[in-house]
Amino acid sequence: ELKVEQNPLFLSMQEEKNYTIYCNYSTTSDRLYWYRQDPGKSLESLFVLLSNGAVKQEGRLMASLDTKARLSTLHITAAVHDLSATYFCAVDSDMRFGAGTRLTVKP
Amino acid sequence: DAGVIQSPRHEVTEMGQEVTLRCKPISGHNSLFWYRQTMMRGLELLIYFNNNVPIDDSGMPEDRFSAKMPNASFSTLKIQPSEPRDSAVYFCASSVDRGLPQYFGPGTRLTVL
Repeated sequence: ELKVEQNPLFLSMQEEKNYTIYCNYSTTSDRLYWYRQDPGKSLESLFVLLSNGAVKQEGRLMASLDTKARLSTLHITAAVHDLSATYFCAVDSDMRFGAGTRLTVKP
Repeated sequence: DAGVIQSPRHEVTEMGQEVTLRCKPISGHNSLFWYRQTMMRGLELLIYFNNNVPIDDSGMPEDRFSAKMPNASFSTLKIQPSEPRDSAVYFCASSVDRGLPQYFGPGTRLTVL
């Protein structure tokens, strides 16, 4: 059975700091997705990574994919409070999601 | 476009009652997903359809749960009889093609007393 593991599960950051969230998965997959969920809200698609070496950036967030290592990273640059949310990765081989990383950015 | 539409947004019912959740995907999207989210179990895929056909229903917890997609613009998730452990937020999502969901609905918060 496919396993999607995120770490850390909880991340408390100070504003203006950088950090990386990791997503490991156990079987081959064509595509990897990152989503954001604000408390009490629905999920919003952030990035779709389609191939090995793919890198996508939106504002202070940058996602990358290494299919050989079965690893994706979500890098946060100079965090701001608005980035506080839970971030999920998911792979399309069986539509399952990771447990999520709850990010809190503190002033 | 109005996005993925779900109804009702909130449902409170008593154990043993039938519950029907409804979803209208984005027009032109070929895949539709039902997910359930709880604190304990996270996001769980219940079932997904492609071109109105169920592709994977292995996540449906038990026979009390059933899902239908009679046409490209409507799907239902039914729980009969409902139990307190079914309390969760149920999300419907859709995408243009096969692959993970692009757009999620606002969710239905179900409470079974």
